[in-house]
Amino acid sequence: RKEVEQDPGPFNVPEGATVAFNCTYSNSASQSFFWYRQDCRKEPKLLMSVYSSGNEDGRFTAQLNRASQYISLLIRDSKLSDSATYLCVVSHTGGGNKLTFGTGTQLKVEL
Amino acid sequence: DTGVSQDPRHKITKRGQNVTFRCDPISEHNRLYWYRQTLGQGPEFLTYFQNEAQLEKSRLLSDRFSAERPKGSFSTLEIQRTEQGDSAMYLCASSLGSHDGETQYFGPGTRLLVL
Repeated sequence: RKEVEQDPGPFNVPEGATVAFNCTYSNSASQSFFWYRQDCRKEPKLLMSVYSSGNEDGRFTAQLNRASQYISLLIRDSKLSDSATYLCVVSHTGGGNKLTFGTGTQLKVEL
Repeated sequence: DTGVSQDPRHKITKRGQNVTFRCDPISEHNRLYWYRQTLGQGPEFLTYFQNEAQLEKSRLLSDRFSAERPKGSFSTLEIQRTEQGDSAMYLCASSLGSHDGETQYFGPGTRLLVL
């Protein structure tokens, strides 16, 4: 079993739709949580960190449930430019901050 | 451009050859990481440095792989006797500071194809 599990998709949604991605992690020592975005053949870029209290950045909302070891990302009012792969990422205490990535969820926003 | 840079961006080599990649982190970032990403997968951790010290190596890093960061600035990753299974994108990332949760900034990657 992978340490970070995501549905690979693809999720095909119309422009303006709301889409949600989920992720589970297995290492209970995980301490820091992130969503990264990766465009085709490009490097991953940090989208947002995820906090227990939940956090929002514009159209993006991230939630963390430590008890269920579950992370989510909600994208509202999808834009064509949101098309990318969204990587769920964790790091754990004492791990040198090395990141453990899920396989990514592919999102395609269509006209 | 003050971001993480990697060289070369692409490398095609024949099986059995040695290859070396370079990573220049963001200036003054004391942590530097190497990851490998294969098609359809997320990046996987290979190794990391704090300044010039290599503090951890993944089991993925066989004895054919070696990484250095001699002066605590740029880093090199060498693969000896390349195999077709080494074909992947090799990503370098850097971060400032030494506490967990620091944002890692990734370079554009070196895409390796072993024929």
